[in-house]
Amino acid sequence: GIQVEQSPPDLILQEGANSTLRCNFSDSVNNLQWFHQNPWGQLINLFYIPSGTKQNGRLSATTVATERYSLLYISSSQTTDSGVYFCAGNTGGFKTIFGAGTRLFVKA
Amino acid sequence: NAGVTQTPKFRVLKTGQSMTLLCAQDMNHEYMYWYRQDPGMGLRLIHYSVGEGTTAKGEVPDGYNVSRLKKQNFLLGLESAAPSQTSVYFCASIKGAGLVQYFGPGTRLTVT
Repeated sequence: GIQVEQSPPDLILQEGANSTLRCNFSDSVNNLQWFHQNPWGQLINLFYIPSGTKQNGRLSATTVATERYSLLYISSSQTTDSGVYFCAGNTGGFKTIFGAGTRLFVKA
Repeated sequence: NAGVTQTPKFRVLKTGQSMTLLCAQDMNHEYMYWYRQDPGMGLRLIHYSVGEGTTAKGEVPDGYNVSRLKKQNFLLGLESAAPSQTSVYFCASIKGAGLVQYFGPGTRLTVT
């Protein structure tokens, strides 16, 4: 089946730093999304981004569907950005496949 | 709107016991999903439903059954719990294909 690879697996940042998280797919996917899981376990959708670029405050995401990858940018990181970031996509139909996540810790 | 809710939040079972997890959404969404999340891993799809009365298998369906008798509810059943089913279970729903997934708060299940 399709493989979703996220990098880096772990990331520690000093508050105020910028970072880029990457998501690679082994095959074409539809409906690519980015999620944030906060330290309390709640999953929040950040972006629905099958292609192109979107921005929401300090976060932005870019998906290059033809090259099967997506990037999540975090600028001026804050401690509240800590948690796990997942990318996910559909492989046709309605089955959603998640990556293993990038665990981010932002130090004050 | 309450969004997506899950009942119960925590549960401890003994091997061989059965239980049902309830997911409810009040957003009139067509599609609903059950995932499990194990430590250090992403979410894996157990079963999903594309509408009332329909269900389908995901990546890891063995040992689980589901039902979607009402559009707003999606039930996940464990007939004979095993320690390997210790996990956090998340329910999600979407209005239609290609749209944003909304997640419930999760159910932490421990099987001893």
